[in-house]
Amino acid sequence: GDSVTQMEGPVTLSEEAFLTINCTYTATGYPSLFWYVQYPGEGLQLLLKATKADDKGSNKGFEATYRKETTSFHLEKGSVQVSDSAVYFCALSDRVSFGNEKLTFGTGTRLTIIP
Amino acid sequence: NAGVTQTPKFQVLKTGQSMTLQCAQDMNHEYMSWYRQDPGMGLRLIHYSVGAGITDQGEVPNGYNVSRSTTEDFPLRLLSAAPSQTSVYFCASSQLGQTYEQYFGPGTRLTVT
Repeated sequence: GDSVTQMEGPVTLSEEAFLTINCTYTATGYPSLFWYVQYPGEGLQLLLKATKADDKGSNKGFEATYRKETTSFHLEKGSVQVSDSAVYFCALSDRVSFGNEKLTFGTGTRLTIIP
Repeated sequence: NAGVTQTPKFQVLKTGQSMTLQCAQDMNHEYMSWYRQDPGMGLRLIHYSVGAGITDQGEVPNGYNVSRSTTEDFPLRLLSAAPSQTSVYFCASSQLGQTYEQYFGPGTRLTVT
C-alpha cells in the first residue's frame, strides 16, 4: 500500500537558518504530493502541492520538488522565522477512482524556531 | 463562512461510555472525513463520505460509526469507548475530485479513562 516516510523530529533551528525536512514515499500509481502544516492548537492546512514529476510547489517561502526518480518531496525554506514553528506533514493522494481519493500522511515533523 | 466546525473541543469519557463527536461544514463540500491523530503515527483515516447517504470505512474504522444525512453534517459516534481511543480527532471536508485539498476543523481532544 501507499506510505509516506518523514524525517524524525523534533527539529530546532535558529531564526534565519535554512530548513530541510525530508520526505520519501511509496505508491503504486501516480500520486500527487503535498505538505500540510499544523500550527499549535489548530487543524491542518494545505501548505503546498505538486501533482506530477518535476513540479515544484511553493508557498510562504517554502518549496518542494516532486522527484519521481528518488521518490522524494523534501520541504525547504531559505530563512525560517519564529512564526514557522509548527508540525509539518508530508502526504500523498493516489486516486483509485473518482470519489475514492485518500490522503496518506507521514508521521509529522515538529519544527521549533528560536529567536 | 465558518469553514469546518467541531464540537466539543475537549471530552473525557469513562470506558464503556458512548458519545458523538459533531462536525459541520458550510462550504457545500461533498467529501467529508474523520481522522485520528496519535503521537508518532500521523493522521489515520477512520471513515469518509462522498455525499449524503454514502459512507465508507477508512484505515481504522473499528469502534466508530458514522452517518451522513445531510451535506453539511458528518457526526462520528463512539459506540463503547476504550482507552485505545484516546486521541485527537479531526474532521475534514473537500470538493470531490480535489480531496487532496482538505479543510480541517480545529480538532476534538478525547481522553478515555
